[in-house]
Amino acid sequence: EAGVAQSPRYKIIEKRQSVAFWCNPISGHATLYWYQQILGQGPKLLIQFQNNGVVDDSQLPKDRFSAERLKGVDSTLKIQPAKLEDSAVYLCASRDRANEQFFGPGTRLTVL
Amino acid sequence: EDQVTQSPEALRLQEGESSSLNCSYTVSGLRGLFWYRQDPGKGPEFLFTLYSAGEEKEKERLKATLTKKESFLHITAPKPEDSATYLCAVQPMTTDSWGKLQFGAGTQVVVTP
Repeated sequence: EAGVAQSPRYKIIEKRQSVAFWCNPISGHATLYWYQQILGQGPKLLIQFQNNGVVDDSQLPKDRFSAERLKGVDSTLKIQPAKLEDSAVYLCASRDRANEQFFGPGTRLTVL
Repeated sequence: EDQVTQSPEALRLQEGESSSLNCSYTVSGLRGLFWYRQDPGKGPEFLFTLYSAGEEKEKERLKATLTKKESFLHITAPKPEDSATYLCAVQPMTTDSWGKLQFGAGTQVVVTP
């Protein structure tokens, strides 16, 4: 079974630029999550999708972050404009019916 | 507010030296407690889910236990390949975002030969 795929793996941008991350969850997983992991901390949930719909985006900085999940499969997370404090690893995860969350390898973002 | 605290922050072990990691939590209602392993540059890898106090689960040299206020991850006779950051996460019993996980900061474990 293929795992959660993410791209790119690394991204370096200047502050105020925009960036987008892509996630392809495990086939058949209806629930998809985006987490932000700052160095030395645990992952923090940004947004949760159930199929196409947003279930929880209470911790998403909506003035600069946006996310979508078209057709209930792939998802894209965008930051516009980026700030220095957005430097982190962005993790995508999907959940199976046994309530296990499987994480992708993450995208490491550096904002200069 | 839900809170997860892991201790110690870092642990250095000799190969074969058993030890335990602690995860204490405060949550209004617990649906489940999860343990993950994270290697540098990789996403977290699922280890265990515990759902009720008194429950225990084992996998190779790892054993997880759960009480009403904390969970322990016991590492028995560790090997260098057990070196990783171990993350604990709680899943609150909420109706609005089923499945949401709140993570602790992790315990970084280094096992030396």
